[in-house]
Amino acid sequence: EVQLVESGGGLEQPGGSLRLSCAASGFPFSSYEMNWVRQAPGKGLEWVSFISSSGNIIYYADSVKGRFTISRDNAKSSLYLQMNSLRAEDTAIYYCAKRGSSGSRQYFDYWGQGTLVTVSS
Amino acid sequence: QSALTQPASVSGSPGQSITISCTGTSSDVGTYNYISWYQYYPGKAPKLMIYDVSNRPSGVSNRFSGSKSGNTASLTISGLQAEDEADYYCSSYTSSTRVFGTGTKVTVL
Repeated sequence: EVQLVESGGGLEQPGGSLRLSCAASGFPFSSYEMNWVRQAPGKGLEWVSFISSSGNIIYYADSVKGRFTISRDNAKSSLYLQMNSLRAEDTAIYYCAKRGSSGSRQYFDYWGQGTLVTVSS
Repeated sequence: QSALTQPASVSGSPGQSITISCTGTSSDVGTYNYISWYQYYPGKAPKLMIYDVSNRPSGVSNRFSGSKSGNTASLTISGLQAEDEADYYCSSYTSSTRVFGTGTKVTVL
């Protein structure tokens, strides 16, 4: 059974930093691209970042580019999101999402339960 | 990276069919057949309902179907059931990034 478990969320002041983690199990983590997606209060889902299976290809949404860094440790089956220079608008539930397994694979077939990040003074 | 446009809400009675539209541009929906749909209960893990425009993952009811025409994709729920009441989001691949729709709240009357 595929499981994705996020952790590391919490309350942080504007300008601060947080590091989110996503522990994966139930599938060959090193073979799959991974993503972070967030949902701000009262808003829709927003794609945040993508990382290839080896970690050598990375993409970011314009809203977080230059502030957030995605990474992975395949030996630990873990995905990370380092969030710096946090802003109030970064307040959201952050989900890690696994890339699809069939067809185009350009979709997310499994998601974690999310971790809440609150940026406030 | 503008969000795809969905109606804010759609409602229907049990047993009816409803359709949710998802309108993008020639840079996303219009070019790629990489449209997916997700069922979402706030605070829970989103669930994949449709991928690659019209494919259903194993375990998803055949009451859910997807299609696309031009820059607009659609999700149809037939035989509406109380358990279908949730938020639904479309998503499209677009030139190495991904974009989601604005979300649609489905209400079963």
